[in-house]
Amino acid sequence: EAGVTQFPSHSVIEKGQTVTLRCDPISGHDNLYWYRRVMGKEIKFLLHFVKESKQDESGMPNNRFLAERTGGTYSTLKVQPAELEDSGVYFCASSQEERGSYNEQFFGPGTRLTVL
Amino acid sequence: AQKITQTQPGMFVQEKEAVTLDCTYDTSDPSYGLFWYKQPSSGEMIFLIYQGSYDQQNATEGRYSLNFQKARKSANLVISASQLGDSAMYFCAMRGRGGYQKVTFGTGTKLQVIP
Repeated sequence: EAGVTQFPSHSVIEKGQTVTLRCDPISGHDNLYWYRRVMGKEIKFLLHFVKESKQDESGMPNNRFLAERTGGTYSTLKVQPAELEDSGVYFCASSQEERGSYNEQFFGPGTRLTVL
Repeated sequence: AQKITQTQPGMFVQEKEAVTLDCTYDTSDPSYGLFWYKQPSSGEMIFLIYQGSYDQQNATEGRYSLNFQKARKSANLVISASQLGDSAMYFCAMRGRGGYQKVTFGTGTKLQVIP
């Protein structure tokens, strides 16, 4: 079975441009999470989808970030316009879990975003 | 709010030796779960081990064991018989119980295994 996949693996853009990251969760996983790691810092939660609904978006840094999960399958994270501080590695994770359980979140390989 | 602290930015260990990676946490949740993930140079995050706050015994998975000391709020990862393939970043993480809970990560420890 395929794991969580993310595209692209690397993206280099200039400040002010737009970038869209894609995450394909494991088939059948209702829960999809986005995380970000800025160089040298901890991995921080961005948001959580349950199917197509945003369950928790408390970690989204500002309104330049827009996440969607149409149809409850893959998700996109758009950064528009990108700023220098947006550089980092963006991870996606998915899980198949019930409320309150501890089921594992499976992580994708991440997208390394560099804003110049 | 939850917080994970990993005070060792980098560690070296001789091949075949054991190594302990430190992790302390802070939370007001009465019930929670603690995790360790490994991130090799290829970038993927690999789940290693899980410990529930009410589990009576320390978790073990092969060469990995979690030294859980609840009163000290520590959840150190012990890797026995280190192998060259263990060289990677290691992240300690936690999530609370009840509802949907996001994972809170530490800053990570870079482990290098020396031949």
